[in-house]
Amino acid sequence: DIQMTQSPSSLSASVGDRVAITCQASQDISKYLNWYQQKPGKAPKLLIYDASNLETGVPLRFSGSGSGTDFTFTISSLQPEDIATYYCQQYDNFPLTFGGGTKVEIK
Amino acid sequence: QVQLVESGGGVAQPGRSLRLSCAASGFSFSSYGMHWVRQAPGKGLEWVAVIWYDGSNKYYADSVKGRFTISRDNSKNTLYLQMNSLRGEDTAIYYCARDIRGGTGLFDHWGQGTLVTVSS
Repeated sequence: DIQMTQSPSSLSASVGDRVAITCQASQDISKYLNWYQQKPGKAPKLLIYDASNLETGVPLRFSGSGSGTDFTFTISSLQPEDIATYYCQQYDNFPLTFGGGTKVEIK
Repeated sequence: QVQLVESGGGVAQPGRSLRLSCAASGFSFSSYGMHWVRQAPGKGLEWVAVIWYDGSNKYYADSVKGRFTISRDNSKNTLYLQMNSLRGEDTAIYYCARDIRGGTGLFDHWGQGTLVTVSS
């Protein structure tokens, strides 16, 4: 199985700050990496697919980069409504696997 | 608009069974692969199973293989998860999710989830 190591597990930042989350795959997954946002009590929402493509309707402050084994998710200017847990997920191989999640809070 | 509504969750004793349903609307259900993903209380996301648009392929997480069965009825626009031999570690919110890439694992819409509690 492909292990997805996400870091940090939590972070606290100020409104307007740039926030970065990393995800490392245990083997090469090419570009097959997605990022989801999950707000408390809600279902996850797709933000980024294929490592760097922004899902329709998602604000431009969200972005993704990387390929192979190392990926980064960035919020360019943190907003209060971005408070959530973010997950990476690989779909290069079954079983599909998620990172452990990053809880983002406002300082 | 795309809607996925799960049902069938509840409390079950260890070793017993439950069947979850996911009613789909707002899109051509028979054209999409569908998944079940679960989330234990306070924990992260765990993929459970996938079924291809026509039911021709199914894959499972090792943790549920041999105990859970995914199926679909395209005439009823409904996805199912039959869960047998339930264990305490199966306690979770179960989400159904649509796959925009056939079944390979790109979830573009999720249901609101249904809670399964396994306890004696």
